Amino acid sequence: SQTIHQWPATLVQPVGSPLSLECTVEGTSNPNLYWYRQAAGRGLQLLFYSVGIGQISSEVPQNLSASRPQDRQFILSSKKLLLSDSGFYLCAWSGGRVRNEQFFGPGTRLTVL
Amino acid sequence: GESVGLHLPTLSVQEGDNSIINCAYSNSASDYFIWYKQESGKGPQFIIDIRSNMDKRQGQRVTVLLNKTVKHLSLQIAATQPGDSAVYFCAYWAGNQFYFGTGTSLTVIP
Repeated sequence: SQTIHQWPATLVQPVGSPLSLECTVEGTSNPNLYWYRQAAGRGLQLLFYSVGIGQISSEVPQNLSASRPQDRQFILSSKKLLLSDSGFYLCAWSGGRVRNEQFFGPGTRLTVL
Repeated sequence: GESVGLHLPTLSVQEGDNSIINCAYSNSASDYFIWYKQESGKGPQFIIDIRSNMDKRQGQRVTVLLNKTVKHLSLQIAATQPGDSAVYFCAYWAGNQFYFGTGTSLTVIP
């Protein structure tokens, strides 16, 4: 069966510091991968998605970036965090077409102080 | 832009009763919908999906109803249990991505 991992589970970072969140998927090959941010009281916001190694699509202009160095690895990064970057970050995967059902990881709670 | 809304932000039900959670969407061209369950501090969990060529789909204790005429989606949970307490939100496919509702918080009263 497929599993998706995210780490760290929680993170507290000062404003201006860098960020690296990692997501890995097991049990499947060539998944579509996604990064979402979930703010309190708001729906999930798609940040990035990737249909293959090195292929990244950005949905929202911001100070975040994403990379996919390996087939089942997706990384969310920032060079300098802002207070507004605080939130719950979720990685998800889907198989086949991008419009298929997505399965989410456990999430990372990021607090920027 | 797209909008996905929920009629009620909170819902409390007695254990054993049925629960109904609603969702309205705005894009009439969408043809694929999903319901997710999210427990506090955890990632969303896929519950059930439905495509627009169907009006109803049933799973284990859950039923999703789709009314394309009024662009309305609902999730019915039969014999609600304490473990069903969570936030439920819908998602629909439009353009090139899913759009997600803010969620309804379901509380099951023992």
